[in-house]
Amino acid sequence: GAGVSQSPSNKVTEKGKDVELRCDPISGHTALYWYRQSLGQGLEFLIYFQGNSAPDKSGLPSDRFSAERTGGSVSTLTIQRTQQEDSAVYLCASSLAGARTDTQYFGPGTRLTVL
Amino acid sequence: KQEVTQIPAALSVPEGENLVLNCSFTDSAIYNLQWFRQDPGKGLTSLLLIQSSQREQTSGRLNASLDKSSGRSTLYIAASQPGDSATYLCAALTYALNFGKGTSLLVTP
Repeated sequence: GAGVSQSPSNKVTEKGKDVELRCDPISGHTALYWYRQSLGQGLEFLIYFQGNSAPDKSGLPSDRFSAERTGGSVSTLTIQRTQQEDSAVYLCASSLAGARTDTQYFGPGTRLTVL
Repeated sequence: KQEVTQIPAALSVPEGENLVLNCSFTDSAIYNLQWFRQDPGKGLTSLLLIQSSQREQTSGRLNASLDKSSGRSTLYIAASQPGDSATYLCAALTYALNFGKGTSLLVTP
């Protein structure tokens, strides 16, 4: 079946512009996660959605970052007033039941470059 | 804060060799430990997940062990093949998934 999909695959933007990154989780998965992988760094947790519960935003690096999940499915990660240090690969993952112990399935990522 | 370290950072071996990748973590209060594979331009593929109550998991030529008390996990790859070339990441789940920086593996024919 279809896996996690993300769009766009690549995004180049100018410093100060806003960007939106999209994630389509696996159908039926209730949990959705966003991560960031910066050059030379490990993957960094950003935000976690579980069903209709309030999201866990503890990993967001600043208030320029926000995310929403509509209808318990598609999620959009928005970065406002982008900075060069926001350049990274943004990965989305989903899991079936949302328990912290479930296997997470990852999308191919969106490579963001801020000039 | 959970710190996850992977050693070595890079490894090159000839085809057919058995090899071990190491992962250590600082906070032993984990829910599970996962090993992923990352290929260039692609997302992560989950290889093995070891629950905190388990000691090891096996899948084909892969075997992962977990020693929570010492904060260590190893991924053993038997009879390596060129198709195994990729970056291998371990991640310890506490409050969130905490990833190491990975081991870049190259298996040469």
